[in-house]
Amino acid sequence: ETGVTQSPTHLIKTRGQQVTLRCSSQSGHNTVSWYQQALGQGPQFIFQYYREEENGRGNFPPRFSGLQFPNYSSELNVNALELDDSALYLCASSLERGRDGYTFGSGTRLTVV
Amino acid sequence: AQRVTQPEKLLSVFKGAPVELKCNYSYSGSPELFWYVQYSRQRLQLLLRHISRESIKGFTADLNKGETSFHLKKPFAQEEDSAMYYCALKGRGGGADGLTFGKGTHLIIQP
Repeated sequence: ETGVTQSPTHLIKTRGQQVTLRCSSQSGHNTVSWYQQALGQGPQFIFQYYREEENGRGNFPPRFSGLQFPNYSSELNVNALELDDSALYLCASSLERGRDGYTFGSGTRLTVV
Repeated sequence: AQRVTQPEKLLSVFKGAPVELKCNYSYSGSPELFWYVQYSRQRLQLLLRHISRESIKGFTADLNKGETSFHLKKPFAQEEDSAMYYCALKGRGGGADGLTFGKGTHLIIQP
């Protein structure tokens, strides 16, 4: 059984650019959620995908968007990057929309310059 | 709106001493509460769920609905307990709200 894997581990982008982060969910999990963790803060919920449909969204603007694929892997896309988007982006997978808790990946460290 | 408060940013105790990490929540309903732990250079790991009422690594947490608290306790701290601890809440709306995390408490166990 494999855990949650995220790629890339680190990324540097320029303000105004677009970025795509990827996540492979744990085997057997059909739910993926994304979190943004700024330095010194707890993770903040961005959105969640369940069986390829978005089924919940936190307080993030529309330039944060995502996808979930038939194999339940997922992408997080951020358009028009801002300096404040610099953070650790965490992916978490679970069974059935969070039943039994979430398994987290190691994250992608995004730096916007 | 749901909110999780962890009032202590840093907690330092001596090995063998009791530990209590505080967590208070705000939610208009019946939430699920979790404790996650992050050891140095490792990913976030689930430590406890209030629903399972189990004890992991000697830690326990009881949901007190009257005080809206879910404090994490351990009677005798060990050096390997040093880590970042996050309390998290999940609404009962089919996971649509995701997890709401507190800002975390950095626990340091002194030898």
